[in-house]
Amino acid sequence: EVQLVQSGAEVKKPGESLRISCQGSGYTFDSYWIGWVRQMPGKGLEWMGIVWPGDSDPEYSPAFQGQISMSADKSTKIAYLQWRSLKASDTAIYYCVRRGGNSFDHWGQGTRVSVSS
Amino acid sequence: EIVLTQSPGTLSLSPGERATLSCRASQSVDSTDLAWYQQKPGQAPRLLIYGAYNRATGIPDRFSGSGSGTDFTLTVSRLEPEDFAVYFCQQYGGSPPFTFGQGTTLEI
Repeated sequence: EVQLVQSGAEVKKPGESLRISCQGSGYTFDSYWIGWVRQMPGKGLEWMGIVWPGDSDPEYSPAFQGQISMSADKSTKIAYLQWRSLKASDTAIYYCVRRGGNSFDHWGQGTRVSVSS
Repeated sequence: EIVLTQSPGTLSLSPGERATLSCRASQSVDSTDLAWYQQKPGQAPRLLIYGAYNRATGIPDRFSGSGSGTDFTLTVSRLEPEDFAVYFCQQYGGSPPFTFGQGTTLEI
């Protein structure tokens, strides 16, 4: 069974750094792109970017370029989403997703990130 | 950027009725690049339809997708209580390569 299991909820202050993770199992991890999707409170879905685990080469949405970094470790089958300096507006649920074709066929359970002073 | 506009914003129906949800793209989208997702409260979205009309694994056949070009439709033939949720369309193409519609809430 394909599973994407994400790290737990985080409560941070503005300016702090953060890395959240997504563990893949049940499939060949480095044969599928892993993406990240943001959902701000009460809002819709926003695609942030995608990374190829084979070489950890990311592609970012222009809306998030420079704000985040993505990576993936094929040896541990873990993908990461990282911020150097969080803002209150980063408060959201973040989902990792597996790209199947040109859609997202499996989703992690989501990681809730709260940023507040 | 290809913008997806979903309508209506909210659709109020009853179990047993037919639901028709629309997704309109600002530019033509290849049918292979259009997907639909369902999100229930407190849950992650799940893939319902890919390639405009292909049901994902385990999706009941009361869900169907259709359309081409700039106009796509998700139909739920006979609503079950568990179908009341938020539905998003998503396309691949352009820059950024993936975009989502703003969602349609299907409520009782």
